[in-house]
Parts: sequence; C-alpha cells; structure tokens
Amino acid sequence: EVQLVESGGGLVQPGGSLRLSCAASGFSVSSNYMSWVRQAPGKGLEWVSIIYAGGSTYHADPVKGRFTLSRDNSKNTLYLQMNSLRAEDTAVYYCARLSDIVYWAIDYWGQGTLVTVSS
Amino acid sequence: QSALTQPPSASGSPGQSVTISCTGTSSDVGGYNYVSWYQQHPGKAPKLMIYEVSKRPSGVPDRFSGSKSGNTASLTVSGLQAEDEADYYCSSYAGRSLVFGGGTKLTVL
Repeated sequence: EVQLVESGGGLVQPGGSLRLSCAASGFSVSSNYMSWVRQAPGKGLEWVSIIYAGGSTYHADPVKGRFTLSRDNSKNTLYLQMNSLRAEDTAVYYCARLSDIVYWAIDYWGQGTLVTVSS
Repeated sequence: QSALTQPPSASGSPGQSVTISCTGTSSDVGGYNYVSWYQQHPGKAPKLMIYEVSKRPSGVPDRFSGSKSGNTASLTVSGLQAEDEADYYCSSYAGRSLVFGGGTKLTVL
C-alpha cells in the first residue's frame, strides 16, 4: 500500500528555515516524480516543487532560490528545505506522488503538515 | 506560472448536472492533454478524479467526466449527489511544472 507521511512542520519566524520530510512506503521515491503542493489557510492548491526520477528539480517562481528539494533513496524519503521563510509561505504542505502510469497527475497525497511563518 | 481560472462557486440540486470550467493558456491547458481534476473535502487531502483531460481512475464514478476545448477544460458532474459537495481543482502540466486552478466550491442544494 502506498503511503506518504509528512513531518517537520511548525511555527517559524520570518527569515527562518525549516526542513520538511516525506517518508514514503509501498514504492520507491527514486522511481517516481515527486512533488510538494501547498495550501494556504482557506485558499487553493499551489504547486511548489518537483523532483524527477532522474533527480532534476524545478520550483515555482515564488520559492525559487529559497526552497531546495532533495531525496534520500536509502531512507525512501523526500525533503523540502525551506529558507528565508516569509509570512506568505504559511500553508499546509502536501507531499505528492505523480503517477508512473498516466501523465502529470497526482495519484497519492500525504496528509499534509502545517507551516506557520509568524513572529 | 499564473493560476488557471475557475469560477469560485457552482451549485446544483440532487440529480442535476453541473459543469465547472478551467481556463488557462496555450502554455498549459491548451498546449497539452495533461489536465487533471481533484476533489477535496474539508480537512482532507485532494483526490484524483480525472486525468489526461477525460480519463477516470479506477473507483471514480462515471458521473464525473472531463473535456477540453482550446485553452479551457471542463469537469461535469452528472446526477449530483450530496457527497459530491466539495472543492474541485483543475491542474495542468505547464512545462517542467504543474499549475492549479483557484478552486471551485460545489454546493449540492
């Protein structure tokens, strides 16, 4: 059974850093495209970052240069390093797996972890 | 990377049909047949309802259907049921990235 479990969220001051983790089971993170999607309180979904199976990473413009996406294949875990955090980064962050059968659709989501940026 | 445009709300009575639109550009919706639709109930993670414009994952009722014309994709929910009340988001491949719509709150009257 495929499962994604996020951790690492919490309260951080503006300008601070936080690292989110996404522990995967039931499949290998190195074999799938993996992404982070966030949702600000009461708002819609916003794509954040993606890592291809080959290791290339891409980020949305609002987080480019501040967020870094990586994975540890031995731990089957995805990471999102978030630096220079701003109030507008406050959101629930979902770890997501893109289907390896169909194109550019997210077939599994984690339960989400809340990041609050506030002084 | 501008968000796709969805109407903020839609509604219908049980048994009726409702269609939600999702408008993008030739760089996303119009350029690829990689439009997906997600259903999200309050406090829950999104669920994939439609992929590649019009295909349904196993387990999704055939009351849900998708289509696309030019830069606009659409989700139609037929035979509305109370459990269909939720937020719906479209998403499209946009070249090395994904872009989501702002979401539509579907109310079953």
